[in-house]
Amino acid sequence: DGGITQSPKYLFRKEGQNVTLSCEQNLNHDAMYWYRQDPGQGLRLIYYSQIVNDFQKGDIAEGYSVSREKKESFPLTVTSAQKNPTAFYLCASRAEETQYFGPGTRLLVL
Amino acid sequence: QKEVEQNSGPLSVPEGAIASLNCTYSDRGSQSFFWYRQYSGKSPELIMFIYSNGDKEDGRFTAQLNKASQYVSLLIRDSQPSDSATYLCAVRGPGGNQGGKLIFGQGTELSVKP
Repeated sequence: DGGITQSPKYLFRKEGQNVTLSCEQNLNHDAMYWYRQDPGQGLRLIYYSQIVNDFQKGDIAEGYSVSREKKESFPLTVTSAQKNPTAFYLCASRAEETQYFGPGTRLLVL
Repeated sequence: QKEVEQNSGPLSVPEGAIASLNCTYSDRGSQSFFWYRQYSGKSPELIMFIYSNGDKEDGRFTAQLNKASQYVSLLIRDSQPSDSATYLCAVRGPGGNQGGKLIFGQGTELSVKP
């Protein structure tokens, strides 16, 4: 069953804590993306990766970090430097021109 | 000026009517245009994409692109209550080194009343 999976579905972060969001795909796509969505707003690009061991900052990379050690996996770490992390986080992968999204992770701050 | 603009709505139409969703973009060199549907609390799902001027039809959906006016629209014929969702317009800019980056509008909320 091909697709993009994200875990966990909900994540709670305490002050000063780093948290990592998982994104896995078995679609054999090279390019993967992380977006953030705030209520009533569109998606904003955090980081993207076009190939293993390479990634680029998007429009709002401050306070986030990523790695791309395997083609299938593109985890996102929300660091303590991100002062307003509460949002819906979406991972996507791309086939030719089109991006397809995982189910998302909702991050909340305790 | 925002790069991709949509009316936030809500747009309310009766069941069976045509819903018309509009999107304008600022980068004249934009190459590809996408419409995604997003139900409340869920992730976006692709409805259709369009690259060339004119109309593209897929079932009850028609995308229309006018590059001269920097305008793309989505028509939904015979609207159903299940079409009630937020519709996101996304645009891919020019250039091969952008990694397929998409710019999203803020979305238009559509409500189809039975």
